[in-house]
Amino acid sequence: EIVLTQFPDTLSLSPGERATLSCRASQSVSTYSLAWYQQKPGQAPRLLIYGASSRATGIPDRFSGSGSGTDFTLTISRLEPEDLAVYYCQQYGGSPPITFGQGTRLEIK
Amino acid sequence: QVHLVQSGSELKKPGASVKISCKAAGYIFTRYAMNWVRQAPGQGLEWMGRIDPVNGDIKYSPKLQARVTITRDTSASTAYMELNSLRSEDTALYFCARDVLGDSTVIFDSWGQGTLVTVSS
Repeated sequence: EIVLTQFPDTLSLSPGERATLSCRASQSVSTYSLAWYQQKPGQAPRLLIYGASSRATGIPDRFSGSGSGTDFTLTISRLEPEDLAVYYCQQYGGSPPITFGQGTRLEIK
Repeated sequence: QVHLVQSGSELKKPGASVKISCKAAGYIFTRYAMNWVRQAPGQGLEWMGRIDPVNGDIKYSPKLQARVTITRDTSASTAYMELNSLRSEDTALYFCARDVLGDSTVIFDSWGQGTLVTVSS
């Protein structure tokens, strides 16, 4: 099983600041198979980034993804109050074929 | 517009079974696989399994394989997830989520609203 570890567990920042969220895999993951999701309180997750760095439809360019191998990053520039959410990374490969990180909770001060 | 509409909340006793439906609209059902993902209260996301609606090929999480069954009715554009021998630890919000067939990866680009399953005596 490919284990994804996200850090930090919680991030507390002010509007306008930059957020950097990390996802580390227990073994190398294809960049094609790494995605990020945003889950706001009381809602289903929403796809933000796929292929490690491609924004999904309708996602503002404040959100960007990067990384390769075992280390991936989601960056949110110019935080807005609506970015309050839990962010998950997800990979495809191995057995079970799909795993998620434990999530990073983003708090907006 | 893509919609995945799930059936309503369920309250079940330990040892019982639950079957949840996910009706797809706004796209061609047979062009996307359907997955089931669950989320225990205050916890993260756990993938349960995936069905190819064209050929019925199914992959399950090894952890749940003995208790979960995923099916589909292509004529109704609906996928189903049945979980047996329910335990209190199965109390969770259950989501369906689609991914495009023929891609060499799995990315969930649309999700259902979630179905709350509560297991309690």
